[in-house]
Amino acid sequence: DTGVSQDPRHKITKRGQNVTFRCDPISEHNRLYWYRQTLGQGPEFLTYFQNEAQLEKSRLLSDRFSAERPKGSFSTLEIQRTEQGDSAMYLCASSRGLAGGPTNTGELFFGEGSRLTVL
Amino acid sequence: GENVGLHLPTLSVQEGDNSIINCAYSNSASDYFIWYKQESGKGPQFIIDIRSNMDKRQGQRVTVLLNKTVKHLSLQIAATQPGDSAVYFCAENNQNTGFQKLVFGTGTRLLVSP
Repeated sequence: DTGVSQDPRHKITKRGQNVTFRCDPISEHNRLYWYRQTLGQGPEFLTYFQNEAQLEKSRLLSDRFSAERPKGSFSTLEIQRTEQGDSAMYLCASSRGLAGGPTNTGELFFGEGSRLTVL
Repeated sequence: GENVGLHLPTLSVQEGDNSIINCAYSNSASDYFIWYKQESGKGPQFIIDIRSNMDKRQGQRVTVLLNKTVKHLSLQIAATQPGDSAVYFCAENNQNTGFQKLVFGTGTRLLVSP
């Protein structure tokens, strides 16, 4: 499978614990995104990388959240001191380039997500 | 994701009918729009996109219509099939941001009865 892969698919943790999610994008995609989705809502943008550079962070990304993409390939999203409000589906997506470019449609390819439940 | 859409607007159709899913967007500066399909337990899947210099685009069994005057987007699915049952999201982007910071709408659940 050459799509976006995320690990783990499910994580149950106790409040106050740290969790880390991993995303492996499609190999030729230089752009990587993290989104969060809660029940009944559409995905909300968290952060964006172009290669290894983190270029944009949402105000939703509190200081307990940190994302990295050290070599411009896979990315990790860590949540420290988890709270019950962090319970959500964390989605990773990747793309080759900007919407409207000559070689792509601007499509974001999403992974299956990592579901976090904080007890 | 799983159990997405517990309280979403729902459109129920019979197999073979045509479906129309509507979306109102808020940012008049948005110039690129995408429809995504999300099945239970899965990530969103691209269906079709449209740029603001167009008002209609057709794909296989799907058509997207864009009305910039009233900031309205619709997705038409022809000959709807049970496999089309899912939650559908519209998403908008302003290419002047320099990247695809897609802003997603609330979503509509489509239920197709055989």
